[in-house]
Amino acid sequence: AIQLTQSPSSLSASIGDRVTITCRASQGISSYLAWYQQKPGKAPKLLIYGVSTLQSGVPSRFSGSGSGTAFTLTISSLQPEDFATYYCQQFANYPFAFGPGTKVNVK
Amino acid sequence: QVQLVQSGAEVKKPGSSVKISCKASGATFNSYSISWVRQAPGQGLEWMGGIIPIFGTTNYAQNFQGRITVTADESTTTVYMEVNSLRSEDTALYYCARDPFPGTVPVGMGYWGQGTLVTVSS
Repeated sequence: AIQLTQSPSSLSASIGDRVTITCRASQGISSYLAWYQQKPGKAPKLLIYGVSTLQSGVPSRFSGSGSGTAFTLTISSLQPEDFATYYCQQFANYPFAFGPGTKVNVK
Repeated sequence: QVQLVQSGAEVKKPGSSVKISCKASGATFNSYSISWVRQAPGQGLEWMGGIIPIFGTTNYAQNFQGRITVTADESTTTVYMEVNSLRSEDTALYYCARDPFPGTVPVGMGYWGQGTLVTVSS
């Protein structure tokens, strides 16, 4: 089964900061990668699919890039509502594993 | 407006089974991949299994193979997941989630149910 790792596991940032989260797959997953945001007590929200395609309604400050086994989620200018936990997930092969998550904290 | 509405919270004894439902509305039901994801208290997301109703195909994570069954009832646009041989470690919030696009190649989970809390305790 494909395994995903994320780094860092947590980070502290300030409003307006550029934030980058990395997701690495144990084998190539082509472009079958999605990113989610989850806030406490809420279901996850799909941000990006297909590595870089923004889900409808997601602000353009979120972007995704990468290929093969290494991927990044970037928040260009962190907003107050962006403090949350972010997960990557692969859809190249079953099971559709998630990464362990990256928590973005207030600095 | 796509909605996934899950059944209510459950409290179960170790060794018993639980069957959770997820009723879909607002779009053609059977062409979309629907998955079950769980989240233990304070932990991350874990993909458990999924189904594409129009094909009747199911896939399960190795961790749950043989212990969970995902089914779909097209007449009621409802997907079910049954988990057997429950143990305390199965205490978690269980979500159903649907791909945003129809087809056989899922790309993400764009719609989520509200979650069903399953507590396993003696």
